[in-house]
Amino acid sequence: AQSVAQPEDQVNVAEGNPLTVKCTYSVSGNPYLFWYVQYPNRGLQFLLKYITGDNLVKGSYGFEAEFNKSQTSFHLKKPSALVSDSALYFCAVRAPSGSARQLTFGSGTQLTVLP
Amino acid sequence: DSGVTQTPKHLITATGQRVTLRCSPRSGDLSVYWYQQSLDQGLQFLIQYYNGEERAKGNILERFSAQQFPDLHSELNLSSLELGDSALYFCASSVSQGDYGYTFGSGTRLTVV
Repeated sequence: AQSVAQPEDQVNVAEGNPLTVKCTYSVSGNPYLFWYVQYPNRGLQFLLKYITGDNLVKGSYGFEAEFNKSQTSFHLKKPSALVSDSALYFCAVRAPSGSARQLTFGSGTQLTVLP
Repeated sequence: DSGVTQTPKHLITATGQRVTLRCSPRSGDLSVYWYQQSLDQGLQFLIQYYNGEERAKGNILERFSAQQFPDLHSELNLSSLELGDSALYFCASSVSQGDYGYTFGSGTRLTVV
């Protein structure tokens, strides 16, 4: 079965500082990996994805993520955090083929950027 | 606006009742997915439909059922409601099997009293 772990329920960072939101995964085969963001009372919004190719993926709003196959990780990063980045972030994985191709989400990490 | 429409946005109902949540996928998307988001369980996959047929089933209770109609809209039916069914229910859609991710609706907040 596929799974995602987001080890930090809460991440606090000062505005202007770099941020990292951690994600590790478990899946059979080469993973399809995603990051989504959820603002209060809103649906999930797509940030970025890794399917294949360059391990460093760039996405929306200045976010990027690095795929590390040996560590089965896909951490989300941003060089300089903004207060408006404060939200709930979800990492998700799916298998490349077979019956379990729906997205499995992590438990989410609440990011708070302090002014 | 993501293009995925969910109605109603809010629903308050009593225990034991039955409700229907509706989802219209983004234009051109054939797959519809239902997820339940609660504080203690996180985002749980319920069920997927592709072009009218059930494709995958997750942690969906027997009291819950869904279908996708010929016009591709989908309905999630929740019956014999319990307090623990209170949650945000999200619908998402994708072109095929979601190789490039899903587009989510804004959700239906269900409160069972």
